[in-house]
Amino acid sequence: EVQLVQSGAEVKKPGESLKISCKGSGYSFTSYWIGWVRQMPGKGLEWMGIFYPGDSDTRYSPSFQGQVTISADKSISTAYLQWSSLKASDTAMYYCARLTSQEGVDYWGQGTLVTVSS
Amino acid sequence: EIVMTQSPATLSVSPGERATLSCRASQSVSSNLAWYQQKPGQAPRLLIYGASTRATGIPARFSGSGSGTEFTLTISSLQSEDFAVYYCHQYNNWPSPFTFGPGTKVDIK
Repeated sequence: EVQLVQSGAEVKKPGESLKISCKGSGYSFTSYWIGWVRQMPGKGLEWMGIFYPGDSDTRYSPSFQGQVTISADKSISTAYLQWSSLKASDTAMYYCARLTSQEGVDYWGQGTLVTVSS
Repeated sequence: EIVMTQSPATLSVSPGERATLSCRASQSVSSNLAWYQQKPGQAPRLLIYGASTRATGIPARFSGSGSGTEFTLTISSLQSEDFAVYYCHQYNNWPSPFTFGPGTKVDIK
């Protein structure tokens, strides 16, 4: 069974750094693109970027280029989303998602709620 | 970047009625269009991919149609569990950039 299991909720202060994770299981982690999607409170879904663990190819959506870093450790089948300096506007639910060229997103993680508040 | 629009923003429907949701792309995405359902407090769930193919386990009352720039999701007879937000998603420019539509909320009339 394919599963994407994300790390738990985080509460941080502005200016702090953060790295959240998404562990894939039940499939070949290096054979599928993994993406990160932001959902701000009460709002819609926004692509942040995608990563191919097979060769570390990374593509960022223009709005998020330079704002976050997407990476993965294929030895433990885990993808990451990282901030170096959080802002209050980063408060949102973040989903990881497995991508295929036929289906778009076929599997979603359960989401990680990030709250940034002083 | 391809811009996706959805209409209406909110659709009020009685249980048992038919619901028709629209999605439009600013340029052709061929049939590389998916629909997702999201309920409060849950991750989105894949309903339709390739514009018209139901994902595994999705009831037959959900159907998708369209190609190019105009797409439709139809729920033939709304059940109580279908009240949710529905997003369309284009994945034509593989492997990126992808875009979601803003969503249509289907609520109880």
